[in-house]
Amino acid sequence: EDKVVQSPLSLVVHEGDTVTLNCSYEVTNFRSLLWYKQEKKAPTFLFMLTSSGIEKKSGRLSSILDKKELSSILNITATQTGDSAIYLCAAPSGTYKYIFGTGTRLKVLA
Amino acid sequence: GAGVSQSPRYKVTKRGQDVTLRCDPISSHATLYWYQQALGQGPEFLTYFNYEAQPDKSGLPSDRFSAERPEGSISTLTIQRTEQRDSAMYRCASSLSGGGYEQYFGPGTRLTVT
Repeated sequence: EDKVVQSPLSLVVHEGDTVTLNCSYEVTNFRSLLWYKQEKKAPTFLFMLTSSGIEKKSGRLSSILDKKELSSILNITATQTGDSAIYLCAAPSGTYKYIFGTGTRLKVLA
Repeated sequence: GAGVSQSPRYKVTKRGQDVTLRCDPISSHATLYWYQQALGQGPEFLTYFNYEAQPDKSGLPSDRFSAERPEGSISTLTIQRTEQRDSAMYRCASSLSGGGYEQYFGPGTRLTVT
């Protein structure tokens, strides 16, 4: 059965720290991995990764895929309190079904 | 529309009642998804529609759950004879197509079965 596992489950850091969130996957016919940020409302899209070793970057957030290790990391540098959220990763299982991890709950203290 | 909308935002119902949840996706999006999200968990896939076709019902937890998208736009998720274990956030998402396109999520319907 396909699965996506995230670690750690939760993390508390101080403003200015750098964090690394992990996502590992076991998906038949892997095509892509997606990262989302979920605050109080709906998950919002961050990155989609399809190629190994190519970093995607948006401001202080970056992500990279390692197909050999079947994993991806999401880095956040110089964290701010506004980064506090649940970070979800997901992978398509088949054409349309997406498998989500349980998420990493990040809390950034002022 | 500008984004994915869902209604109602909150629904409290008594065990045994039927409920219907509604999703209005982004108008240009062909594919619509339904997810169930328990507290502290990631979204769990229920079903999807590509226009009005519903090729995959495998994620629906039981035959009490059904979904429709009769004209290829708005979709409804109906839960018959609700049980307390059905209490969860129900999220709808849409995407341009399947095959790995990013999904845009609606705000969800928080269902509480008492």
